[in-house]
Amino acid sequence: GAVVSQHPSWVICKSGTSVKIECRSLDFQATTMFWYRQFPKQSLMLMATSNEGSKATYEQGVEKDKFLINHASLTLSTLTVTSAHPEDSSFYICSARGGGYEQYFGPGTRLTVT
Amino acid sequence: AQSVTQPDIHITVSEGASLELRCNYSYGATPYLFWYVQSPGQGLQLLLKYFSGDTLVQGIKGFEAEFKRSQSSFNLRKPSVHWSDAAEYFCAVEPTYTRGAQKLVFGQGTRLTINP
Repeated sequence: GAVVSQHPSWVICKSGTSVKIECRSLDFQATTMFWYRQFPKQSLMLMATSNEGSKATYEQGVEKDKFLINHASLTLSTLTVTSAHPEDSSFYICSARGGGYEQYFGPGTRLTVT
Repeated sequence: AQSVTQPDIHITVSEGASLELRCNYSYGATPYLFWYVQSPGQGLQLLLKYFSGDTLVQGIKGFEAEFKRSQSSFNLRKPSVHWSDAAEYFCAVEPTYTRGAQKLVFGQGTRLTINP
């Protein structure tokens, strides 16, 4: 089946710094990628949708200047958390969709901001 | 308010026993419906989906789900669970007003524990 990877799997950073998370579709071309946030013992919440070569579409309440998304190629999307603060600590999950309907999910990245 | 509800946060069943995980939605029109499983260190995996047609849907790993319009439910079932089924299960919907954009709305999740 289709495989989506994320890197890093976990990261610890200091408050005020920026962190970049990569999402790659390994064996298919992803026309659309999605970024979710998951708090402990809670559900996934969609943050934004990105199409290759286009600006990302952010969900209501998500700060686009805080969470920068770049979908530069058909196999790579990046999420940059800028000027991270402890409240940004969370589990970030990406998913990717190719030509079909199904979304394939990455394993997630745990971000801890100290 | 439009939402997806999984009433059971945590369920424990014995290995070999049957399983039913509940999911209810509140949307005006029937959305697309999905069940995903999340295992530690792994991405969410699609178990099954319902778009239209036969209300009993077969999925992978021996799971099935039944769509009941009158109850706005899409419950997940398995006749006999295995220890490897221990995981977090999420019900998700794609509302009709976002159709095409594939914006999924997830329930809170149900954690399944299997007793040996």
